[in-house]
Amino acid sequence: DGGITQSPKYLFRKEGQNVTLSCEQNLNHDAMYWYRQDPGQGLRLIYYSQIVNDFQKGDIAEGYSVSREKKESFPLTVTSAQKNPTAFYLCASSPQDRPYGYTFGSGTRLTVV
Amino acid sequence: AQSVTQLGSHVSVSEGALVLLRCNYSSSVPPYLFWYVQYPNQGLQLLLKYTSAATLVKGINGFEAEFKKSETSFHLTKPSAHMSDAAEYFCAVSGLNTGGFKTIFGAGTRLFVKA
Repeated sequence: DGGITQSPKYLFRKEGQNVTLSCEQNLNHDAMYWYRQDPGQGLRLIYYSQIVNDFQKGDIAEGYSVSREKKESFPLTVTSAQKNPTAFYLCASSPQDRPYGYTFGSGTRLTVV
Repeated sequence: AQSVTQLGSHVSVSEGALVLLRCNYSSSVPPYLFWYVQYPNQGLQLLLKYTSAATLVKGINGFEAEFKKSETSFHLTKPSAHMSDAAEYFCAVSGLNTGGFKTIFGAGTRLFVKA
C-alpha cells in the first residue's frame, strides 16, 4: 500500500545534539512538507519542497534544515540551534503544490533529555 | 492571507447525538477548505474537502460539512456520534499566494463521546 513512513516513532535528543527525522513516501507525490505540532497550537509549517533539489522555508524554519535529493525522501534535521525542539513532527505529501489535501505520516515524537 | 478559527478546544457529546464542530475562516483569495481527524499519536487523515464545487461536502465515516460564504464558515457535522469518533479534528484553509498554495491549520477541537 502507498503511504508515508516516518521513523523513528520516538526520538530522544540530548542538549546540543543534532538529530535527523526520516520521511519516505511511495505515492509518487511531488510536494512534501514538514509540520511541527504542539498541544493547543495546531500545525505549524517548518519547510516544504515542491520538487527535487528545491525547498522553501515555512513559518518556523529557524533551527531546522532539510534536503530533497530524491523524490521519495525528505529528511528533517533538528539542529542544536533549535532551543525548544520537544514536539510531535509530522511529514506530509501531496501530488503537486495544489489544494488536493495532504497525506500524512504517523509522526515522530521528539523529546529533549 | 488566510486564517482559521475553530470554536471550542473541547466538545463533548453523548453516543448517538449530533456532532457539530465549528470552523470559521478568513481568506483574501478563493478558499479551499479541509477537515482532518487525528487519533492519539497518529498523523492526520483527510475527512473531506471543499474545492469550489458543491457547497455541501460529504466525507468519510458519515461526516459532512457545508461551505457558507456569507458566514465564512465550514462547520463539520455528523448526525449520530459513535464512540470511535472520539479524536481531535482540525480545520484547514488553503489559498493561492505568492510562491504557491499556503495551508493554515486551526488549533484543533478534541471530541469526546460519552456512552
